[in-house]
Amino acid sequence: KAGVTQTPRYLIKTRGQQVTLSCSPISGHRSVSWYQQTPGQGLQFLFEYFSETQRNKGNFPGRFSGRQFSNSRSEMNVSTLELGDSALYLCASSLGASRPAEETQYFGPGTRLLVL
Amino acid sequence: AQKVTQAQTEISVVEKEDVTLDCVYETRDTTYYLFWYKQPPSGELVFLIRRNSFDEQNEISGRYSWNFQKSTSSFNFTITASQVVDSAVYFCALEGRGAQKLVFGQGTRLTINP
Repeated sequence: KAGVTQTPRYLIKTRGQQVTLSCSPISGHRSVSWYQQTPGQGLQFLFEYFSETQRNKGNFPGRFSGRQFSNSRSEMNVSTLELGDSALYLCASSLGASRPAEETQYFGPGTRLLVL
Repeated sequence: AQKVTQAQTEISVVEKEDVTLDCVYETRDTTYYLFWYKQPPSGELVFLIRRNSFDEQNEISGRYSWNFQKSTSSFNFTITASQVVDSAVYFCALEGRGAQKLVFGQGTRLTINP
């Protein structure tokens, strides 16, 4: 079974631009979560989607948004990029039906975003 | 609030040594879940183990073992006879019932030298 895939793997943007990252979960998984990883703040939860609905959201500004499609694929958007948005963005998927935490989240390889 | 502390920022040992990674957590939930993930240089977080708060049995998987002690709020990870391939950053994480999100520790960078 294929794992979680994320595209693109690497991205360079400039301040003020916007960016969209994509995540395809493991087949059959309906929950997708996003995390931001930076050297200073570590791994932080952004949001989680299940059946096209956002179920939980972390403490990030409104510039960070996401959505989930009917096939469970998810996208994350960051508008008006700032230098501090440079990070590794990780997507994780799980079955989702019996959340919370009764299943394991499996992570993709991440998208490394550099904002110049 | 939930919190995970991995006090060891970096550990360096010689191959074949045993090494223990510490994890201490804080939560007010009575039902919660603890995890360990491994992050190799490629960046992907690799799932190692999940343990729920009602299961204090220690677990062994090959060279890996985990010691869960609710009394001290600790969930430590031991690698026996370490190998160079074990070099990675290891994260301990907590998820509370209803939280629907993982709270991670800061990670421990483990370097196994040949």
